[in-house]
Amino acid sequence: AQSVTQLGSHVSVSEGALVLLRCNYSSSVPPYLFWYVQYPNQGLQLLLKYTSAATLVKGINGFEAEFKKSETSFHLTKPSAHMSDAAEYFCAVSLNAGGTSYGKLTFGQGTILTVHP
Amino acid sequence: DSGVTQTPKHLITATGQRVTLRCSPRSGDLSVYWYQQSLDQGLQFLIQYYNGEERAKGNILERFSAQQFPDLHSELNLSSLELGDSALYFCASSASPGLGLETQYFGPGTRLLVL
Repeated sequence: AQSVTQLGSHVSVSEGALVLLRCNYSSSVPPYLFWYVQYPNQGLQLLLKYTSAATLVKGINGFEAEFKKSETSFHLTKPSAHMSDAAEYFCAVSLNAGGTSYGKLTFGQGTILTVHP
Repeated sequence: DSGVTQTPKHLITATGQRVTLRCSPRSGDLSVYWYQQSLDQGLQFLIQYYNGEERAKGNILERFSAQQFPDLHSELNLSSLELGDSALYFCASSASPGLGLETQYFGPGTRLLVL
């Protein structure tokens, strides 16, 4: 079975500061990893995903994440926060086709990002 | 706009009642997924359909059922509702049957409140 742990349910940064949202996963087979963002009263939008090609993945809105197998981590970063980045962020894992979970996404508990002016 | 539509946006009902949530996937997508988002359980996968057939099942209660119709829209039926069923229900769609790496596109959700 797979699981995801997001360290820190709330992260607060100043506008222009580095954003770092932490995600650790557990999976018995090589995983696929995703970061989704949820703005208030909206659905989830994909930021980026790791599908075993490059370990450093670039996504939309200046976000990127690095897959580190030895640390079982997939932390999300952005060099300079913008007010519009304020939202809830979810890390998720799915198994490759060799597993039995097909496209099921297992989500972390989410991290609310607050950006101060 | 993800291209996934869900109706209704909000639903208020009483305990013991039955409701139906509807989802239309993006044009061309054959897979539909249902997720439940609640404060205590977070985001949980309920069930997946691909081209009309059940593909994968998650933590879906026996009181809940779903189906996908020939036009590919899907419905999630919730019966004998309890207070704890109050949550945001998301539908997502993808083009493939669920290989793990495909992007799932999420709808705006249906907010269910059981009183």
